[in-house]
Amino acid sequence: GAVVSQHPSWVICKSGTSVKIECRSLDFQATTMFWYRQFPKQSLMLMATSNEGSKATYEQGVEKDKFLINHASLTLSTLTVTSAHPEDSSFYICSATPGQSNQPQHFGDGTRLSIL
Amino acid sequence: AQSVTQPDIHITVSEGASLELRCNYSYGATPYLFWYVQSPGQGLQLLLKYFSGDTLVQGIKGFEAEFKRSQSSFNLRKPSVHWSDAAEYFCAVGAGGGYNKLIFGAGTRLAVHP
Repeated sequence: GAVVSQHPSWVICKSGTSVKIECRSLDFQATTMFWYRQFPKQSLMLMATSNEGSKATYEQGVEKDKFLINHASLTLSTLTVTSAHPEDSSFYICSATPGQSNQPQHFGDGTRLSIL
Repeated sequence: AQSVTQPDIHITVSEGASLELRCNYSYGATPYLFWYVQSPGQGLQLLLKYFSGDTLVQGIKGFEAEFKRSQSSFNLRKPSVHWSDAAEYFCAVGAGGGYNKLIFGAGTRLAVHP
């Protein structure tokens, strides 16, 4: 089946640093990728939708300057948490789809981000 | 606004017992409904989906779900639970049509007693 690889799986860094998370579709071309945030014991909240070669569409309340999304190729999207602070600590999950609405989203295994 | 409600935060069942996880949705048009399972520290795996047609849908791992428009529900069932089914289960609605813009419920954590 389709595989989405997310890297790193776990990162700890100091407050004020920027962290980049990669999401790769390994065996299909991902026209659309989604980024979610999940707080402990809570649901996934959609942060943004990114289409290859276009600017990401952010959900209401998500700071686009804080969470930079780049989707420069059909197999790679990146989420950069800029000047991270402890409140940015969370589990971030990406998903990828070929783009058509009847094509399922394939989820990565997530990245646990801890800001000290 | 579209929303998904999973009334049960935590459910515990004995291995071999039947299971039903509840899901209610709020959506103005014909809903696209999904059930996902998440093991600790991992991403989500699709169990089953409803787009149209037969309101009883079969999924992987022996799960099924029934769409009831009159009750705005899409409950997940399994006749006999296995210990490996212990996980977090999320119901979702495709607010953008199909798989686009998934809105998830809060999740139900399933524990299975031996």
